[in-house]
Amino acid sequence: SAVISQKPSRDICQRGTSLTIQCQVDSQVTMMFWYRQQPGQSLTLIATANQGSEATYESGFVIDKFPISRPNLTFSTLTVSNMSPEDSSIYLCSVRQRGLGETQYFGPGTRLLVL
Amino acid sequence: AQSVTQLDSQVPVFEEAPVELRCNYSSSVSVYLFWYVQYPNQGLQLLLKYLSGSTLVKGINGFEADFNKSQTSFHLRKPSVHISDTAEYFCAVSRSSGNTGKLIFGQGTTLQVKP
Repeated sequence: SAVISQKPSRDICQRGTSLTIQCQVDSQVTMMFWYRQQPGQSLTLIATANQGSEATYESGFVIDKFPISRPNLTFSTLTVSNMSPEDSSIYLCSVRQRGLGETQYFGPGTRLLVL
Repeated sequence: AQSVTQLDSQVPVFEEAPVELRCNYSSSVSVYLFWYVQYPNQGLQLLLKYLSGSTLVKGINGFEADFNKSQTSFHLRKPSVHISDTAEYFCAVSRSSGNTGKLIFGQGTTLQVKP
């Protein structure tokens, strides 16, 4: 399986600021995803991070609020922009890799609290 | 579109007792099915998956699941639970053809194992 790390692991931020979350994988992967898990809720896909092109966003998520970069096959960032308390969530990076079948592996998550 | 329903939000059970966590899905196309576990303050870990073949799937930590296409179910079972199995369990699906990698998650089931 792929080993995935995320930075920061947790943060407390002020309303109106932005936070960039990093996701690093120990091997090249074909697909990378960003999910949000709101308190006490399930996971919702924010977007698919595409290498070398704009991310593909799910309904209800927009690039201005959640800009994503993926400069290579092992790294991606998600920025949560102009934060409000409603953005308090766990943000998880996941990857899918050829040779590992259809399985997605998840990072440990970034726990964000917006005051 | 696909959807997932986990029929129980919480399942309390005594240690060494058997447990079943129920998952039903809805989809107009063939799907892959997954169970993930989330321990407190951690990311998601894959328990098991059904891609094709035998409908009885064995996973890690003694868990298994039975894919029933006619009933569109993928219930998770363990014959004897341990205190350490206390966690949140998520059922998820993705479409098997034209697979974009998108996972649709159920709302989660909290397994509470009591001594």
